[in-house]
Amino acid sequence: KAGVTQTPRYLIKTRGQQVTLSCSPISGHRSVSWYQQTPGQGLQFLFEYFSETQRNKGNFPGRFSGRQFSNSRSEMNVSTLELGDSALYLCASSLGKGGLTEAFFGQGTRLTVV
Amino acid sequence: ILNVEQSPQSLHVQEGDSTNFTCSFPSSNFYALHWYRWETAKSPEALFVMTLNGDEKKKGRISATLNTKEGYSYLYIKGSQPEDSATYLCASLNTDKLIFGTGTRLQVFP
Repeated sequence: KAGVTQTPRYLIKTRGQQVTLSCSPISGHRSVSWYQQTPGQGLQFLFEYFSETQRNKGNFPGRFSGRQFSNSRSEMNVSTLELGDSALYLCASSLGKGGLTEAFFGQGTRLTVV
Repeated sequence: ILNVEQSPQSLHVQEGDSTNFTCSFPSSNFYALHWYRWETAKSPEALFVMTLNGDEKKKGRISATLNTKEGYSYLYIKGSQPEDSATYLCASLNTDKLIFGTGTRLQVFP
């Protein structure tokens, strides 16, 4: 069974640009969550999607958005990039919604904003 | 604001030593507590998901306990091995969001 796949693995962007990250969950998983990790911080929750609907959103500005498609694949978009957006972005899929079952993580996308 | 605290921040032990870490979480509106192991250059991997007060789970040499009334969980590793070196994350599901701690970084020296 294929794991959670995130693309691209690495990305370098300049300030002001926008970026789209992709996450393909494990087959059959309908919940996809996104997290940001910066040095010294724990995984910060961005949002969760279940069956194409955003269930929850973390405390991030509106520049961070996402969506989920009918095949459960999810994309995350960050517009007007800032230097502070440089981070590892992880997505995780799970069978059920809301964190009641274990999450399976992808290897992440390392975004560098210069 | 929900805070999940983990201690210690880092730990160095000798091969064969047993060790334990602590995760503190809000006890109100609690639904589940997760533990993950995150090895360098890999993805976080689920160890346990626990929901009931007094729950104890075990996987090989690793075990965890849960106290939902006082808001803490312990992770134990018996007879640490170099391959146990990783960052151990806990996450608490309160209300509707899974909130992660900053992790305990374990290094096991041969």
